[in-house]
Amino acid sequence: DVKVTQSSRYLVKRTGEKVFLECVQDMDHENMFWYRQDPGLGLRLIYFSYDVKMKEKGDIPEGYSVSREKKERFSLILESASTNQTSMYLCASIGQVLREQYFGPGTRLTVT
Amino acid sequence: LAKTTQPISMDSYEGQEVNITCSHNNIATNDYITWYQQFPSQGPRFIIQGYKTKVTNEVASLFIPADRKSSTLSLPRVSLSDTAVYYCLVGAGSNNAGNMLTFGGGTRLMVKP
Repeated sequence: DVKVTQSSRYLVKRTGEKVFLECVQDMDHENMFWYRQDPGLGLRLIYFSYDVKMKEKGDIPEGYSVSREKKERFSLILESASTNQTSMYLCASIGQVLREQYFGPGTRLTVT
Repeated sequence: LAKTTQPISMDSYEGQEVNITCSHNNIATNDYITWYQQFPSQGPRFIIQGYKTKVTNEVASLFIPADRKSSTLSLPRVSLSDTAVYYCLVGAGSNNAGNMLTFGGGTRLMVKP
């Protein structure tokens, strides 16, 4: 079974703090993704990575950066957290056969 | 980038068949169509994927007409536990993730007793 894990289910941070969200997949997938999900807006792609040290901007990259130093790990970084970054953050990796995405359980981030 | 359009919500009753249609007018030749299910406070879960005609698995069927500009997810005999949000996704047709994956707004299905 593919497993995508995220470092925290719930996180509370203060405005201006640097925030790291970690995602690890155990299936040797090359492609990994970070989304945020907000009520009424569905899932929006922030960044994705198709290989180690490679990254591409998604639809809403502003205010975020990412790091992919190892194939299994994809980190989302909020350099200076703001209240409008309060959201559910979902990580995913993509399978090679059916091309379906496997999602982690999500991290609910609250920035106060 | 192929965008998708789905109904915002649908209601059904236990035991009925539910069909959710997704429009994707500018689907690319090498794009696949994938459907996901999401329960509250969980990540989306893969249901089914297809390229053309009909695909069936133990959970659902996916109907894709010849022009591929739409697709229909069919859930046979739904139960209360099928209450969820269903997303249609178009893309990932190549091994290069530069073909980005964009989710639409999803369809909120409510199954009533």
